[in-house]
Amino acid sequence: DAKTTQPNSMESNEEEPVHLPCNHSTISGTDYIHWYRQLPSQGPEYVIHGLTSNVNNRMASLAIAEDRKSSTLILHRATLRDAAVYYCILRDYGDDKIIFGKGTRLHILP
Amino acid sequence: DTGVSQNPRHKITKRGQNVTFRCDPISEHNRLYWYRQTLGQGPEFLTYFQNEAQLEKSRLLSDRFSAERPKGSFSTLEIQRTEQGDSAMYLCASSWEGARTEAFFGQGTRLTVV
Repeated sequence: DAKTTQPNSMESNEEEPVHLPCNHSTISGTDYIHWYRQLPSQGPEYVIHGLTSNVNNRMASLAIAEDRKSSTLILHRATLRDAAVYYCILRDYGDDKIIFGKGTRLHILP
Repeated sequence: DTGVSQNPRHKITKRGQNVTFRCDPISEHNRLYWYRQTLGQGPEFLTYFQNEAQLEKSRLLSDRFSAERPKGSFSTLEIQRTEQGDSAMYLCASSWEGARTEAFFGQGTRLTVV
């Protein structure tokens, strides 16, 4: 059911920016792009979402391609606590249940 | 509000027994979701509710699984005649309806079937 494609894993150094990509080439005009993350032994937690414009919040930034077929979650300054599985999810205006794919496992190197 | 609460946190049961899990959502949320997660996999959608109405149940879910949300508040997930393959983390989430809303997840109930 997942309509997004993400790399299985990524590595980044602590205190450096991280760019997590997501492809969603079949996105519809009413799909919102959501990102969740799951820390070890925790339930998933919301990170950010957007529709067309780039979005910023205290946790991250979301950059959405002009054609909306891809997006990038940006962690501006990674810490060890950001090591988690990051999920990119499409939620349709008409069918808004949350369907997870396999996500990207982010490793942060000290 | 203390967030989404799930009980118990851990459950060990013998194969063939029935188990029931409880989820207390954030009180004002009308949507409630159940997921199952096994090691190394993303959460798998099981079912979801709007208030007391069950909107959808995954076609992958066997008839041994049933969920309800009486009065649109807390929800229970029951597994009858448990099998070893049911061993997993069961997650509950709640939100307002709508594709722009943020879902809040509980810590999960870890089920081990021996």
